[in-house]
Amino acid sequence: SQQGEEDPQALSIQEGENATMNCSYKTSINNLQWYRQNSGRGLVHLILIRSNEREKHSGRLRVTLDTSKKSSSLLITASRAADTASYFCANVRANDYKLSFGAGTTVTVRA
Amino acid sequence: KAGVTQTPRYLIKTRGQQVTLSCSPISGHRSVSWYQQTPGQGLQFLFEYFSETQRNKGNFPGRFSGRQFSNSRSEMNVSTLELGDSALYLCASSPGQGAQYGYTFGSGTRLTVV
Repeated sequence: SQQGEEDPQALSIQEGENATMNCSYKTSINNLQWYRQNSGRGLVHLILIRSNEREKHSGRLRVTLDTSKKSSSLLITASRAADTASYFCANVRANDYKLSFGAGTTVTVRA
Repeated sequence: KAGVTQTPRYLIKTRGQQVTLSCSPISGHRSVSWYQQTPGQGLQFLFEYFSETQRNKGNFPGRFSGRQFSNSRSEMNVSTLELGDSALYLCASSPGQGAQYGYTFGSGTRLTVV
């Protein structure tokens, strides 16, 4: 079973708009990571945020982490058709560094 | 630098057979983890190997096993295949034990059990 939940399950936006997805988890974490997957292929690591960090940026990506609420969000700004993919958050448990994935958010960017 | 290589890419097996999947991590990475991905259960952790030792294990039956060689390459084996074992099997490598760093995933092996 998953260690966390993501919402929304699916998101459809127009090119140029921003996309925001949220993730919650249950246990104390060492870090939280976001991955992208295109059409059932391998996952691509996007960004890692450690438990003592609150916000991190990478290009058009912005990730926030609120450990008091056990939640994180991923914002993709100025979306492009190439951003169409499934996005997964994965939390790393503090006690054994095991990486557990959420169910993912499917993002469709319309041209 | 070469990425994570998984072989084969596709596999079709019959119920009751066994299968071995292979994963070559990024050069220098000593940790290899395996995940099973299905539409119903999502991404489920199978196990992690670091320096030839299994360090973590998910909740899968004993039919699922793995090993890691001295060159960090890893194999996973599934015996007595069941229809429900049909899935995308993903291997990921990392420089250190556990997911303290980001994982690099391979493209996966798609196993179909008929």
